[in-house]
Parts: sequence; structure tokens; C-alpha cells
Amino acid sequence: EAQVTQNPRYLITVTGKKLTVTCSQNMNHEYMSWYRQDPGLGLRQIYYSMNVEVTDKGDVPEGYKVSRKEKRNFPLILESPSPNQTSLYFCASSFLRSGINYGYTFGSGTRLTVV
Amino acid sequence: EDKVVQSPLSLVVHEGDTVTLNCSYEVTNFRSLLWYKQEKKAPTFLFMLTSSGIEKKSGRLSSILDKKELFSILNITATQTGDSAIYLCALDGGSNYKLTFGKGTLLTVNP
Repeated sequence: EAQVTQNPRYLITVTGKKLTVTCSQNMNHEYMSWYRQDPGLGLRQIYYSMNVEVTDKGDVPEGYKVSRKEKRNFPLILESPSPNQTSLYFCASSFLRSGINYGYTFGSGTRLTVV
Repeated sequence: EDKVVQSPLSLVVHEGDTVTLNCSYEVTNFRSLLWYKQEKKAPTFLFMLTSSGIEKKSGRLSSILDKKELFSILNITATQTGDSAIYLCALDGGSNYKLTFGKGTLLTVNP
């Protein structure tokens, strides 16, 4: 089954304790991205990657890091989480052709709470 | 900067009603407009629209794009309780393939 797998689904952590949210896709998509979803603000892009070793900032990158060492994996790293990073996080991948993004396939989401 | 505005923000209807959800946008370099449905967690893909005036249809759902007036609508006929969800409109404005999302319309269908 074609899918994007995110882990963990739920995470409660303390301020300053480094954490990683994993994301893996099995569709051979070049493009992968991380979003956060907050009430009243909607979905906002954190980082994206066009291919292996090619990553760039989205609209709200502060406090986050990513890496793309393999095509299928795109982990999100919070080096020193703070309470304002409490949010619902989605990883997504998509098929690109001829300059068009044919739409994201989303992971199931990670509900992160930083206390 | 690309912008997507959805209306209404929330809507409550009875089963069997027909609803129309609106999405207006501002963009420099339009590539496509997409609709998603979000129930418990992850958004799921509904439609992708690239050309004006061509209706996309899937069962009771349909959508159309007007590139001159910069909007799209999503219609749901004969609504069911299972249609209750947040409906998201997203725009590909050609900026590094990023999708810019609207805040969504929360649809509640009561029995």
C-alpha cells in the first residue's frame, strides 16, 4: 500500500529535550515536506526537500532541522523544543512532473506537546 | 505571497442538504488548486484542478475552478453524516512546489 509513515503518533516531552519525528514514504517521491497545523492558523510549511541532500526552509522553519540522506526518509528534528512548538505535525510527499505538484500524500500526523 | 481564503469557516447542515464551499485565492504563477478532506487526522486528496470551467466529479462531490475570477467551489449533494470534516483548499503557486493551504471549512452534517 502506498503510504507515508510517521512516528510517533503522540509525543509529550519537556522543554529542551531533543527529539526526532520520523517520516518514511514508499512511493519513490522526490518531494517531501513537513507542515504544522495549529487552530486558526491552518497548515504551514516548515521545511521541504526536492530530492536527496536537497532541503530548504518553508514558512516557519525556526527551531527545526531536517535531513534527507535517503530518498524515502525525511526526519524532523527539534534540537531544543519549546512550548510554542506544541502542534500537530504532518509529513507529506508528492509526485512532481512538468512543473506541477500532483498533490500531497500525508502521513497520519504527530501530536506533539512540549511542557 | 500566495493567499488562499476559504468561506464559510464553519457550516452546520442536515442530512440530505446540498452545500457549497468556497475558495478564493491570490497567486502570481498559478499551477493548480487542490481540495482535501480532513477527518480525524491526515488530509486526504479529493480533487486537483488546473483548467477553468471543467468540473471534476466524484460521486456526490464536485468541484470547479474559475481562473478569471480566482476562485473554486466544492459542492456536496445529498450530504451524509460521514461528510462531516474539515475541507481544505490548497494552491500550488509555482513556488518550489509548495502547497499553500486555506484555513479550512468545518462542515458538520447532523442526522
